[in-house]
Amino acid sequence: DAGVIQSPRHEVTEMGQEVTLRCKPISGHNSLFWYRQTMMRGLELLIYFNNNVPIDDSGMPEDRFSAKMPNASFSTLKIQPSEPRDSAVYFCASRPGQVLTGELFFGEGSRLTVL
Amino acid sequence: KNEVEQSPQNLTAQEGEFITINCSYSVGISALHWLQQHPGGGIVSLFMLSSGKKKHGRLIATINIQEKHSSLHITASHPRDSAVYICAAPNFGNEKLTFGTGTRLTIIP
Repeated sequence: DAGVIQSPRHEVTEMGQEVTLRCKPISGHNSLFWYRQTMMRGLELLIYFNNNVPIDDSGMPEDRFSAKMPNASFSTLKIQPSEPRDSAVYFCASRPGQVLTGELFFGEGSRLTVL
Repeated sequence: KNEVEQSPQNLTAQEGEFITINCSYSVGISALHWLQQHPGGGIVSLFMLSSGKKKHGRLIATINIQEKHSSLHITASHPRDSAVYICAAPNFGNEKLTFGTGTRLTIIP
């Protein structure tokens, strides 16, 4: 398996622009997580899905952020409009099974810079 | 929310030394995760453990559920072990992980 695939790996955009980050989880994994990593706050969970259904989006910072999972093999995280404070590395991770515990498999991350 | 603390924050050692990184958490958990992140790189899951000890090559993870404490050990450390090591514990009853701030390990040849 190719692992969790994220795109783009790097994105530089200007404030106010829409940003869409993409994630393809490992085939067969039931849970998908979006994390954000910054120097100041470390890793933070933004939202997670179970069987394509959003379970908890309380980590989404504001209405400018939205995430979708239209099918088991694809998810997007959208920021509209983007702001400089959104600059971070965004990681997608997936996990097999339905239980609360289980090893997480991370993508390589999408490094976002908002000027 | 689980409070997760790691120590030390930074660790520099000579190649070959035995390394120990500690993690403590505040709320009883079902399993604890150890992750590795190389500079500018992705995150790799090293261990997920709920009791006792797990070993993978030169890496050993232990956990004491009663004391709410886990350790990650590296034997015969090598410069390629240089990375940030992060422990993470779930909040009780849900999938949210609270992450430690990480330990930046540098192994000098």
